[in-house]
Amino acid sequence: KQEVTQIPAALSVPEGENLVLNCSFTDSAIYNLQWFRQDPGKGLTSLLLIQSSQREQTSGRLNASLDKSSGRSTLYIAASQPGDSATYLCAVVGQGGKLIFGQGTELSVKP
Amino acid sequence: SQTIHQWPATLVQPVGSPLSLECTVEGTSNPNLYWYRQAAGRGLQLLFYSVGIGQISSEVPQNLSASRPQDRQFILSSKKLLLSDSGFYLCAWSRTALGEKLFFGSGTQLSVL
Repeated sequence: KQEVTQIPAALSVPEGENLVLNCSFTDSAIYNLQWFRQDPGKGLTSLLLIQSSQREQTSGRLNASLDKSSGRSTLYIAASQPGDSATYLCAVVGQGGKLIFGQGTELSVKP
Repeated sequence: SQTIHQWPATLVQPVGSPLSLECTVEGTSNPNLYWYRQAAGRGLQLLFYSVGIGQISSEVPQNLSASRPQDRQFILSSKKLLLSDSGFYLCAWSRTALGEKLFFGSGTQLSVL
């Protein structure tokens, strides 16, 4: 059974710092991995999707990497801003096609 | 462009009352549709998913049911709510190909008292 873990559960950094959020999964037979952002009381917004054949994806200040063999992904946020404060969730799609989510990392960027 | 609508945004219901949450998608046809629940401080749990009209798969045994009466309409229901049904409910859609991006609605915060 696929399990997705995100560490840390919460993170607080000063504005301007570069930071890394971690995601690990137990079954490496994934189809892809997605990173989402969730603001309090809101739905999820898709940030990046990495196919199993890819090693990374970039969008603006965000870079997501995937190491399928070790069951890990990282989301790198460069030059963090207070507007980046949110919960970040990773999710993997297995061969059954279902998205399995981690519990998220709550990020707070202090001005 | 595609949009997903989910309502209501918040709902307070007494124990034992019925529930109906509605989700509609615009700008696409034959989407995969999903209902997730997010309990406080926890990850998202897949409740139901549908690959077509009248086709519903349930992921966990529970007090809830789902229906898809039209191609782009997905409804989450309960005949009698329990306290444990409280949570944040999210509807989502994706294109039918495997591994497509998931797009979420804005969610419904349900409090059962």
